[in-house]
Amino acid sequence: ETGVTQTPRHLVMGMTNKKSLKCEQHLGHNAMYWYKQSAKKPLELMFVYNFKEQTENNSVPSRFSPECPNSSHLFLHLHTLQPEDSALYLCASSQDGENTGELFFGEGSRLRVL
Amino acid sequence: SQELEQSPQSLIVQEGKNLTINCTSSKTLYGLYWYKQKYGEGLIFLMMLQKGGEEKSHEKITAKLDEKKQQSSLHITASQPSHAGIYLCGAVHTGGFKTIFGAGTRLFVKA
Repeated sequence: ETGVTQTPRHLVMGMTNKKSLKCEQHLGHNAMYWYKQSAKKPLELMFVYNFKEQTENNSVPSRFSPECPNSSHLFLHLHTLQPEDSALYLCASSQDGENTGELFFGEGSRLRVL
Repeated sequence: SQELEQSPQSLIVQEGKNLTINCTSSKTLYGLYWYKQKYGEGLIFLMMLQKGGEEKSHEKITAKLDEKKQQSSLHITASQPSHAGIYLCGAVHTGGFKTIFGAGTRLFVKA
């Protein structure tokens, strides 16, 4: 099993759909992150969870709703998205939420909003 | 302007040639990270630099952090097609806790 697994790898949805992205880490880490990667733009940090508690919400629109039921799983619930939300969504984990060490990334979920 | 500037944005080199990618921060760095990303996939950690003047190597890739801890360079010697991808620098600034990233440098290696 790879360290950080994301599903689905690809997703196409309409603006009225509701879908969820899933991330699972098998590394025993305590912190998990959602990043958004758009073409030719820096990775944008969206959410940080440390020991299941949300410690960072980087001014993300409410149409993105994270959920962290335990330290190993992280979800990103999607609702009434806009075409500009089309991007690669990357999940990452680290040993702790201090973010002073290495981040371990999943392969990403490529989202296209029609 | 961005907190982390990478240059160049893209680079095409002939196989066997050396190349350098730069990452400049607008603030003093606590830690500087280099990652590689294959197109459309996740990021793979290459190395972390923390001390001014520090230099680390990973196979044919060497990265340095300047003395003032606001700039890093990544150097690839004798590039190969396997080096192709997007190189991203990430940084944690002194007093900060978030890793922010540069926009990346897209490297193409011609065989």
